Amino acid sequence: EVVLTQSPGTLSLSPGDRATLSCRTSQTVTNNFLAWHQQRPGQAPRLLIYDASTRATGIPDRFSGSGSGTDFTLTISNLEPEDFAVYYCQQYFSSTWTLGRGTKVEIK
Amino acid sequence: EVQLVESGGALVQPGGSLRLSCAASGFTLSSHWMNWVRQGPGEGLVWVSHINPDGSSISYADSVKGRFTISRDNAKNTVYLQMNSLRAEDTAVYHCVRDGMGTLPWDLWGQGTLVTVSS
Repeated sequence: EVVLTQSPGTLSLSPGDRATLSCRTSQTVTNNFLAWHQQRPGQAPRLLIYDASTRATGIPDRFSGSGSGTDFTLTISNLEPEDFAVYYCQQYFSSTWTLGRGTKVEIK
Repeated sequence: EVQLVESGGALVQPGGSLRLSCAASGFTLSSHWMNWVRQGPGEGLVWVSHINPDGSSISYADSVKGRFTISRDNAKNTVYLQMNSLRAEDTAVYHCVRDGMGTLPWDLWGQGTLVTVSS
């Protein structure tokens, strides 16, 4: 099973700050099949980024994804109040898709 | 509106059974692989099972294999998860999740339904 390690566990920031979230995988991700999902409190998760760097439909451009191999990053520039949430990375290149344990972005 | 709505969650005793349903609307269910993903108290998201569009290909996480059964009725736009021999560690919010088309990952999540296994 491919293990995804997200860091930090919690990020305490203020609106307008820049957030940098990390996701490391235990195996090389082929075809950059790495996604990011956002889960706001009390809401269903939603897809933000796929193929490591492509924004899903309707996702604002302050969200960006980068990386390859085993190291990936989600960057949120200029945090808005609605961005305080938990973010999960997911790999979908192996036969069993797995997610990281999440990074919580909280208001400082 | 494109959405997935789960139902059927409840409080059940260890060893009991429960059937979850996932009603799909706003899109053609029969075009998509579908999944169940669960989230235990204070835990992350864990894949449980998936089923291909016509129901001929199914997989399960080792933790539920032999106890849970996924199925679908495309005519009713519904996906099911039959859960038997429930254990305390099955306590979680269960989300129904859609695979995107082609090589896309999970691209639509339901709100989830809470299953609590306790005596």
